[in-house]
Amino acid sequence: GAVVSQHPSWVICKSGTSVKIECRSLDFQATTMFWYRQFPKQSLMLMATSNEGSKATYEQGVEKDKFLINHASLTLSTLTVTSAHPEDSSFYICSARAGTTHTEAFFGQGTRLTVV
Amino acid sequence: GQNIDQPTEMTATEGAIVQINCTYQTSGFNGLFWYQQHAGEAPTFLSYNVLDGLEEKGRFSSFLSRSKGYSYLLLKELQMKDSASYLCAVMDSNYQLIWGAGTKLIIKP
Repeated sequence: GAVVSQHPSWVICKSGTSVKIECRSLDFQATTMFWYRQFPKQSLMLMATSNEGSKATYEQGVEKDKFLINHASLTLSTLTVTSAHPEDSSFYICSARAGTTHTEAFFGQGTRLTVV
Repeated sequence: GQNIDQPTEMTATEGAIVQINCTYQTSGFNGLFWYQQHAGEAPTFLSYNVLDGLEEKGRFSSFLSRSKGYSYLLLKELQMKDSASYLCAVMDSNYQLIWGAGTKLIIKP
């Protein structure tokens, strides 16, 4: 299957700093990328959907000024957690889809963010 | 509203068969996916059903009944490595994935 690379795998940062997470589709063009957050023992929570070249669509309750998403090319999307707080500590996962219909989403490896 | 229901946890014995059920109510239907997720890792794709019936892939099979809003994932010849969470997800009319909470499968020797 297609490969989606997410970087970094884990990061520890201090409160108040910003952290950028990258999501790259390595062997296909991702027209749509999704960013999820997952708390322990819970399912994936969709944060936002981004289409290349346009603004991301955020789910209700997700602060777009805090979680900045950029999808500048068909192979790269970034999520920046600004002014991170301990409650932002979570597992962040990106997924990418080549088409819009009936195609599976391929997941990155996930990023474990710990804010201290 | 949109809703995906699956059991929270199941336990089975190594070598046995287990069936994980998923029922859904969504705005439209464009297919149902099953993913496997080991603790601390991202989900990996297992199966996709868009038509009624059974899809078999090795030890794993997935069944769909659109009229009943029902699917199941069948795992045969269980191995210890099958211990994981299994996520059911439905693609709605907007081609968005609606996720179930996942079923944690515990395999005992």
